[in-house]
Amino acid sequence: AQSVTQLGSHVSVSEGALVLLRCNYSSSVPPYLFWYVQYPNQGLQLLLKYTTGATLVKGINGFEAEFKKSETSFHLTKPSAHMSDAAEYFCAVSDDPNQAGTALIFGKGTTLSVSS
Amino acid sequence: NAGVMQNPRHLVRRRGQEARLRCSPMKGHSHVYWYRQLPEEGLKFMVYLQKENIIDESGMPKERFSAEFPKEGPSILRIQQVVRGDSAAYFCASSPGSSPYGYGYTFGSGTRLTVV
Repeated sequence: AQSVTQLGSHVSVSEGALVLLRCNYSSSVPPYLFWYVQYPNQGLQLLLKYTTGATLVKGINGFEAEFKKSETSFHLTKPSAHMSDAAEYFCAVSDDPNQAGTALIFGKGTTLSVSS
Repeated sequence: NAGVMQNPRHLVRRRGQEARLRCSPMKGHSHVYWYRQLPEEGLKFMVYLQKENIIDESGMPKERFSAEFPKEGPSILRIQQVVRGDSAAYFCASSPGSSPYGYGYTFGSGTRLTVV
């Protein structure tokens, strides 16, 4: 069964610093991977996704993630943090990308704090 | 084009009462997914529905929980005889086709259920 591990439930950075949120997955098939962001009292917004093709994926708000099969990782990065990036971030993997309509498996989330 | 609409945004129920959560998918979306987010946890899949059909309810508790997606109207997640452990945020997502991977899901803003 697929699973997702997000290392670090809380990450704190200074404004302008590099953001690195870690995600490792386990999957018996080539995975489809996603990063979502959740602002307080709001729903989840898709940041980026990896399905096939280029392993470096660019998303919204300057975020990107790299799929590394050998490390079973899909870490999220942003070169320079902004105060508005403070939110909770979830990594997710598809349960079975070959089966239509399957659910996403989510990690427990990482809360990003940005200080001025 | 309105997004996924969930209502109510906040719902307070006393133990033993019934909770009804509604989800209207995006226009043109015929696939609906319900997820539950417990405090400090990631989202957990509950049920996947298409119009008038439950496709996968493997994440639904066996008792007190039910879901429907009628031919007309929103999808309904129903929780009977609520207990304090049901307090959580319930999110609905929709997709236009049987495979969400080309689009990712579109999530609603959630219903926050509090059982007192």
